[in-house]
Amino acid sequence: QSDLTQPRSVSGSPGQSVTISCSATTSDVGAFNYVSWYQHHPGQAPKFMIYDVTKRPSGVPDRFSGSKSGNTASLTISGLQADDEADYYCCSHAGSYWVFGGGTKLTVL
Amino acid sequence: QLQLQESGPGLVKPSETLSLTCTVSGGSISSDDDWWTWIRQPPGKGLEWIGNIHYSGTTYYHPSLKSRVTISVDRSKNQFSLKLNTVTAADTAVYYCVRQGWSPLRGFLYWGQGTLVAVSS
Repeated sequence: QSDLTQPRSVSGSPGQSVTISCSATTSDVGAFNYVSWYQHHPGQAPKFMIYDVTKRPSGVPDRFSGSKSGNTASLTISGLQADDEADYYCCSHAGSYWVFGGGTKLTVL
Repeated sequence: QLQLQESGPGLVKPSETLSLTCTVSGGSISSDDDWWTWIRQPPGKGLEWIGNIHYSGTTYYHPSLKSRVTISVDRSKNQFSLKLNTVTAADTAVYYCVRQGWSPLRGFLYWGQGTLVAVSS
């Protein structure tokens, strides 16, 4: 049982949008302002996609966006592409340590 | 371009100590804004943050592993290391060493390719 709850799987067709949620179940994450998201293709190193809930590092397409409402953060991927098929993890600072969500498998139909 | 490379045994016996080293190239480990981190992924499971270290020597560990983990840094070699003692099969995982930023980018910025460590007799 993770301190951050994500759906196990989501799916969408090419060109569509999907949203992956990340709900905090521990008060250790405080205001939940330090949420980041990672894309992980099996066999590769995870990739840094979103930080501080909504910010995008350079090089990450603007099809990827982050948001938050209360204790639930979300990653939205618009204009789905085949290469977006991967596992996605949210992560949050929790006082003196960091916690990951259980991961969501995105399938592009 | 910063690169990180994990090294260490791929097989450890139960109750023994897992030891890994991460060599950082293309940049200095002595950066005020960076933390050097270990993250693992057991087979078929999600990512788990183990702990991190600043070049000054300050460390933070995940509460569930704190009693068994030591992370250290060797600035002269631009390396940092992980020791996890009294391992069990549950510690079998791919272990990643990671550069973690705090400012301006707050997150796990650069990852090594990961190394699989199996715990088995």
